[in-house]
Parts: sequence; C-alpha cells; structure tokens
Amino acid sequence: QSALTQPASVSGSPGQSITISCTGTSSDVGGYNYVSWYQQHPGKAPKLMIYDVTNRPSGVSNRFSGSKSGNTASLTISGLQAEDEADYYCSSYTSSSTLVFGGGTKLTVL
Amino acid sequence: EVQLVQSGAEVKKPGESLKISCKGSGYTFTSYWIGWVRQMPGKGLEWMGIIYPGDSDTRYSPSFQGQVTISADKSISTAYLQWSSLKASDTAMYYCARVGGMVRGVPHWFDPWGQGTLVTVSS
Repeated sequence: QSALTQPASVSGSPGQSITISCTGTSSDVGGYNYVSWYQQHPGKAPKLMIYDVTNRPSGVSNRFSGSKSGNTASLTISGLQAEDEADYYCSSYTSSSTLVFGGGTKLTVL
Repeated sequence: EVQLVQSGAEVKKPGESLKISCKGSGYTFTSYWIGWVRQMPGKGLEWMGIIYPGDSDTRYSPSFQGQVTISADKSISTAYLQWSSLKASDTAMYYCARVGGMVRGVPHWFDPWGQGTLVTVSS
C-alpha cells in the first residue's frame, strides 16, 4: 500500500491561514471518512488534531479544521501561530483493511 | 488524565532480542485497543499492529506480520512489542498509542500517544 501524498513543506506568516493536502485514491481517502491528522513537534510524540475527516478532539484549538473532496483530504490552520510550526501527518483506512499514513508535511511559520 | 508511558531507549546488537513496554494509566486499560507505530529516522509513521488487553486479541499490519510480536499483561496495564532477532533496519522510534476508532479490525485513529522508545541496533 503506497503512502498518501502530502506536500513536503508549506509555510505561512503569523495570522494567516494555510492548508495541507493529503492525496490518496478511491481505495483509501476517497472511499471512506476515516482520515485523521497528527501534529508532531521535533523530538516529540504525534498528537491527534483531527479524526474522521472533520472531528476535532477535546482540547484541540478550533483554528484547526479538516475537510475532504474526492480523493484529497485537507487540514486547514487559521490564525497561524508560531507554536503551530511542526510536522503534520495524515492517515487513512484503506480497502486492503490496513492503515496508511502520508509522508508528512513540514509547516514553517515565517 | 489518560497517559501511556513507555520504557527507555535501548541499544542492541544485530541478532539480539528485545522487548519494550507501554504502561497505561488514567483509564480502564482492558477496554481499549493499544497500537504500535514505527518511525524510522527522518521518516514518516507506519502502523505495526494492535492488541486488545482485555483478551489479548492481536492484529498485525501485513508489513509487520511475523517480524514482531505484540503482547499485553492486563494485571499491570502494560503492552509490549518484542523482537526475537533484531536487524539494523529495526533502528527507529517506536510509539504506542491508544486506539480511538476501529473499522473491520483496523485502527483508524490514535489518541493519546506514548512518549516513544528509541531502539538503536548497531554492531
């Protein structure tokens, strides 16, 4: 199972909004509403930010939102803050009954 | 507070065996699946497998089936990941995480995560 495709890097200035894409196929992202997003700061464990495409866990800022269109899921961060600088990973359930992650996107806050 | 605390970093030689642990607290350990995720140096995340501590039902990702063994001791709220013969390519950070959602026996999100255990395999 191939990894989901994410841009290697994105950047934005404080206060701006950015979107990170996660592209798969109809056998994973496009076929199920089981996409999740994780934030990972350097040297730290991943943290769940979004699950089931659009759901935000308790305690996660409402500046983070998720969506999906066709075979591409997206994570949008509004009102960008310095603390948002991190790596972000998407994941999806697949028709092969496994879980696949994206390659990760490094977010830089300028 | 739900917490997963993992055992410390390990340095091993190729061919050696290893068992790392993940202790859960702040919730009913036997009621949630626990998963293991690998992160090789500078790379992304890979799901390895899951276990249900209540009855030790275990599922493996096809990529890791036969390569590792996942187990649990519910009496001490601890899950384990073990290797019988390590290879240099097993060098990675390993995370345990509580499974939040399951579909057809496969986890589709994890929360929270342990702090990670770095395993280094080198001669």
